[in-house]
Amino acid sequence: NAGVTQTPKFQVLKTGQSMTLQCAQDMNHEYMSWYRQDPGMGLRLIHYSVGAGITDQGEVPNGYNVSRSTTEDFPLRLLSAAPSQTSVYFCASSYSVTGSTEAFFGQGTRLTVV
Amino acid sequence: ELKVEQNPLFLSMQEGKNYTIYCNYSTTSDRLYWYRQDPGKSLESLFVLLSNGAVKQEGRLMASLDTKARLSTLHITAAVHDLSATYFCAVADRGSTLGRLYFGRGTQLTVWP
Repeated sequence: NAGVTQTPKFQVLKTGQSMTLQCAQDMNHEYMSWYRQDPGMGLRLIHYSVGAGITDQGEVPNGYNVSRSTTEDFPLRLLSAAPSQTSVYFCASSYSVTGSTEAFFGQGTRLTVV
Repeated sequence: ELKVEQNPLFLSMQEGKNYTIYCNYSTTSDRLYWYRQDPGKSLESLFVLLSNGAVKQEGRLMASLDTKARLSTLHITAAVHDLSATYFCAVADRGSTLGRLYFGRGTQLTVWP
């Protein structure tokens, strides 16, 4: 059971480049989210999705785009990378069993923008 | 917007000692989660607390939830080195879409002999 799979695990970008972080889950979860983790800041929500075709912004959405064409996949696009986007990115998926919404996290993508 | 405050942010404790980590949040919620993160790793779910008065225990860790006080605690009993990690609490806003969590800044725990 793969759970939540993120690729790549590490990435170095030059300022202004674009790229897509991939996230896939095989648990048939409706809810998927992207977070970024910066030292001493906890996790902050970038974008989330409550199902295929439905996305919304989180706390820190600027500079990122998402789409959800299938239940399984939720890619995060960096449009024009900036050094401030250097961070560790986590994708999460959630189910609701009697409202528990426990989130399962991928292994993370460590992104450096130079 | 829901705010989540954890304290302490850093905790250094000797093996065998007890301590409590606190998680306060700013608006009504009845769903709270505790996660563990080892350095360079992902987040591992520890506890899911879904109602006022909920208490869950796993080994040397016990978590509780008081929704009236908007407070959760993570109690560590007789700490061992293997518990060294960063612990996060996360709260689901009752009014928000399911799946949206707000995280505290984390408590970095170091247990020394």
